[in-house]
Amino acid sequence: KNEVEQSPQNLTAQEGEFITINCSYSVGISALHWLQQHPGGGIVSLFMLSSGKKKHGRLIATINIQEKHSSLHITASHPRDSAVYICAVQGETSGSRLTFGEGTQLTVNP
Amino acid sequence: DTEVTQTPKHLVMGMTNKKSLKCEQHMGHRAMYWYKQKAKKPPELMFVYSYEKLSINESVPSRFSPECPNSSLLNLHLHALQPEDSALYLCASSLHMSRERGDTQYFGPGTRLTVL
Repeated sequence: KNEVEQSPQNLTAQEGEFITINCSYSVGISALHWLQQHPGGGIVSLFMLSSGKKKHGRLIATINIQEKHSSLHITASHPRDSAVYICAVQGETSGSRLTFGEGTQLTVNP
Repeated sequence: DTEVTQTPKHLVMGMTNKKSLKCEQHMGHRAMYWYKQKAKKPPELMFVYSYEKLSINESVPSRFSPECPNSSLLNLHLHALQPEDSALYLCASSLHMSRERGDTQYFGPGTRLTVL
């Protein structure tokens, strides 16, 4: 079993839909990261969380430390949101080393 | 300046060539990372430099040789690579290499490497 599990692997939505991507992890962490990767490669850090909830524009990330679970929500989705979304955790004893989930491929159709 | 730059964007090399990938950041970050990413897979950590010293080598073959000449610059020297080394090579940086708290990593756009 991977230390970081994401679901779903693939997600197709219509423009305007509310989207949720889930991440579960099995180790103690100092932080959890949500990353976005567009075709062509570059990775952008969306959120770093160690508790609670963060919001940036149409993106919301939540984390439940007790349940070892995080969700990334996208409200009013848009075709430009189409990308791979990756959950990654920093373990309590692993310094800045990130353990990555397999990613969720999101496609938003107009 | 919150940017990590990488050159070249694309590189095609033969198995006998020697080439180098370059990464630069001017955010005052003291931790720098090399990752390798194969298609449809998450990045795999290769090396970490902390305060210009090699801190982590994830058992990477010696045909990959990292170098950190100063706090802003990170190189990856390539020699005698194999076709299976073809991948996207990503550089990242963070303020520190912190054990106690989270540290955002800023990624470069990557170098797409093809080994013939």
